[in-house]
Amino acid sequence: AQSVTQPDIHITVSEGASLELRCNYSYGATPYLFWYVQSPGQGLQLLLKYFSGDTLVQGIKGFEAEFKRSQSSFNLRKPSVHWSDAAEYFCAVDTGRRALTFGSGTRLQVQP
Amino acid sequence: GAVVSQHPSRVICKSGTSVKIECRSLDFQATTMFWYRQFPKQSLMLMATSNEGSKATYEQGVEKDKFLINHASLTLSTLTVTSAHPEDSSFYICSARNPDGGNTIYFGEGSWLTVV
Repeated sequence: AQSVTQPDIHITVSEGASLELRCNYSYGATPYLFWYVQSPGQGLQLLLKYFSGDTLVQGIKGFEAEFKRSQSSFNLRKPSVHWSDAAEYFCAVDTGRRALTFGSGTRLQVQP
Repeated sequence: GAVVSQHPSRVICKSGTSVKIECRSLDFQATTMFWYRQFPKQSLMLMATSNEGSKATYEQGVEKDKFLINHASLTLSTLTVTSAHPEDSSFYICSARNPDGGNTIYFGEGSWLTVV
């Protein structure tokens, strides 16, 4: 069965600093990969997705993610974090057969 | 705009009563919808897969008699929490797979249920 690991439960960065959120997946083939962001009390917003092709994917709000097959990773990055980026971030995989499988999430705090 | 709509966004009910949450796909027909539950500061846990015209498939540990799922049409799935208890208070999110749109999964806005 597929699984998703987000090793960092909580990350704090200073505003303007760069950000990288880690995501590793376990699946026999290459799944579809997603990053979602969730603000407190809100639903999920899709940041970006990887289906195939270019392994560097650009998303909304200045985020990007890189798929690395050899590492089974799909890390999310942003060169300069804004205070409004503080939220919970979820990595998810879709094997095409059923529902998305989510990681446990990483809570991002942004210091002024 | 949203392609999957959930209603209500927030609901408060008394213990022992039942509450229904609706999930609608607005721009496409969804043969499969999914219901998730999210406790505060936790990830989304899949509860069940809702299949149009047939019985839902429940994940292990989810009480099918308590969480009734009906997928009577290609654009509507409902989740009914029966005989609600305070421990059922949670954030419930539905999603739907668009078979004609690259099989992309879209999420609803979520529904906050508080049982008092």
